Amino acid sequence: AQSVTQLDSQVPVFEEAPVELRCNYSSSVSVYLFWYVQYPNQGLQLLLKYLSGSTLVKGINGFEAEFNKSQTSFHLRKPSVHISDTAEYFCAVIDFGNEKLTFGTGTRLTIIP
Amino acid sequence: ETGVTQSPTHLIKTRGQQVTLRCSSQSGHNTVSWYQQALGQGPQFIFQYYREEENGRGNFPPRFSGLQFPNYSSELNVNALELDDSALYLCASSFRGETQYFGPGTRLLVL
Repeated sequence: AQSVTQLDSQVPVFEEAPVELRCNYSSSVSVYLFWYVQYPNQGLQLLLKYLSGSTLVKGINGFEAEFNKSQTSFHLRKPSVHISDTAEYFCAVIDFGNEKLTFGTGTRLTIIP
Repeated sequence: ETGVTQSPTHLIKTRGQQVTLRCSSQSGHNTVSWYQQALGQGPQFIFQYYREEENGRGNFPPRFSGLQFPNYSSELNVNALELDDSALYLCASSFRGETQYFGPGTRLLVL
């Protein structure tokens, strides 16, 4: 069975500072990986995804993530955060041939002015 | 291109009642998945519909049921509502096997 661990439930960061949100996954087969963002009182918006190819994936709003198969990680990074990045971030995994997304418990990113 | 839409946006029910939530999939998508997101948690997979058939189910009791229509829109029905059913219900549409795109959700409160 697949699982996702987001070790940090909350991450406070000063505006214009860099940020890394950590995600580790567990699966017995090959996977696709995703990061979704959820702004207050809204649904989930896709930030970026890793399906195959280059392990460095670029997404919207200046975010990027790196797939590391040996570490089973897919950490999300942004070099300089903005107040508008305040949101909940969810890492998710889906096994090849499966249709079910498994989510982590989320990381709340708070930007300090 | 129209995104995923859900109705209603908010709903209040009492314990024991039944509820129906609706989802219109994004143009060109043939698969709809439903997720339950309790407060402070990540979304949990309820079930998925592909070409009007259930195609996978999570760890939810049979009182959670669904339908998919020929136009690929979908309904989630919950019978005998319990207090713990209070949550944000998210619908996601996709072309089978591809990236899932989410709607804004329906927030259900059971009193």
